[in-house]
Amino acid sequence: GENVEQHPSTLSVQEGDSAVIKCTYSDSASNYFPWYKQELGKRPQLIIDIRSNVGEKKDQRIAVTLNKTAKHFSLHITETQPEDSAVYFCAASLTGNQFYFGTGTSLTVIP
Amino acid sequence: NAGVTQTPKFRILKIGQSMTLQCTQDMNHNYMYWYRQDPGMGLKLIYYSVGAGITDKGEVPNGYNVSRSTTEDFPLRLELAAPSQTSVYFCASSTRGTGELFFGEGSRLTVL
Repeated sequence: GENVEQHPSTLSVQEGDSAVIKCTYSDSASNYFPWYKQELGKRPQLIIDIRSNVGEKKDQRIAVTLNKTAKHFSLHITETQPEDSAVYFCAASLTGNQFYFGTGTSLTVIP
Repeated sequence: NAGVTQTPKFRILKIGQSMTLQCTQDMNHNYMYWYRQDPGMGLKLIYYSVGAGITDKGEVPNGYNVSRSTTEDFPLRLELAAPSQTSVYFCASSTRGTGELFFGEGSRLTVL
């Protein structure tokens, strides 16, 4: 099956700085890559996703890039704010029947 | 529109006991999933279903069973609970494959 690796496991940034989280996947046939944010004690919620026919996608302060050749994708958060503090999970899917999640990155934004 | 509803939110079981985690969604989604979340391990898929009457194993199905008799409901059964099943369980649904997963609030299960 698919194997998704996520780095770093923890990340601390000053408010206003940028944060980057990276994921790699093993199955070159995977074609859908969502990112989920999970605040403490809450359910994961989708923040952005990208499909394999697109190289980059942006939504306000959040962007995702995909390099199919290298089999990696990254989440970029600019102008970080304290409310961005959470655990972020990347995932990869081929058919949508199974989503393979990374192990998560705990992001702390220091005011 | 309640979304995905899971019960119970918390449960303590003794080794060897059995229980069912309930999951209901009111969004008419065909796809439903059960995940477990352990610290530092991300989300692991236990079972999934692509429609009523159809279920299939995920990455970590041992010790669990599911059924899908209706579009709305997807209960997860734990037989002979073991300490290794201590975890937070999330039910999720989506309208189609490669689409947004809508998660329930989670069920924290402790097996002692």
